[in-house]
Amino acid sequence: DGGITQSPKYLFRKEGQNVTLSCEQNLNHDAMYWYRQDPGQGLRLIYYSQIVNDFQKGDIAEGYSVSREKKESFPLTVTSAQKNPTAFYLCASRGLEEYNEQFFGPGTRLTVL
Amino acid sequence: SQKIEQNSEALNIQEGKTATLTCNYTNYSPAYLQWYRQDPGRGPVFLLLIRENEKEKRKERLKVTFDTTLKQSLFHITASQPADSATYLCALGTNAGNMLTFGGGTRLMVKP
Repeated sequence: DGGITQSPKYLFRKEGQNVTLSCEQNLNHDAMYWYRQDPGQGLRLIYYSQIVNDFQKGDIAEGYSVSREKKESFPLTVTSAQKNPTAFYLCASRGLEEYNEQFFGPGTRLTVL
Repeated sequence: SQKIEQNSEALNIQEGKTATLTCNYTNYSPAYLQWYRQDPGRGPVFLLLIRENEKEKRKERLKVTFDTTLKQSLFHITASQPADSATYLCALGTNAGNMLTFGGGTRLMVKP
């Protein structure tokens, strides 16, 4: 099946720890994105990448880091510098043709204990 | 600053009626607008795309309008069903770059 996967579904972290969220796609999409969603709110862009080995900060990049070593993979690390990391994290991908929609993964819910 | 507004209050309607959701934007010149559906605890799913030079698009029971003068898009679901209950997000895109800016979403509840 073609699609985009995220793991784990639920993640618990102690304060002061870094955690890495996985995102993999087999849609052959060039662009990949990470969003954060807080309860009752829309999606806010953390980082995005349009090509391997290149990525750009979004609106709320502070406290987060990413890598794009392979076209299929775009992991997100939530560092201890992120002051309020508890949220629902969504990964998405899309082709680069104009007007293309984004395909989303199922999300990872991160809770800081 | 750029702003996208969707009604943050839930929309409650009776089954069979038409649901109309609103997306307003300011300080933005989108080239296109997309609507997504999001169920609780899941990722959004794309529904419809409308370009800036299009007034209306339809897909089955869904209809989207786009008024660049009013800076508004309306999303209609006709003959609504309880299965249509979800949060609906609008997203604006420009010709520069491949990013979308999302609104906060409106929760729709269709009662049988």
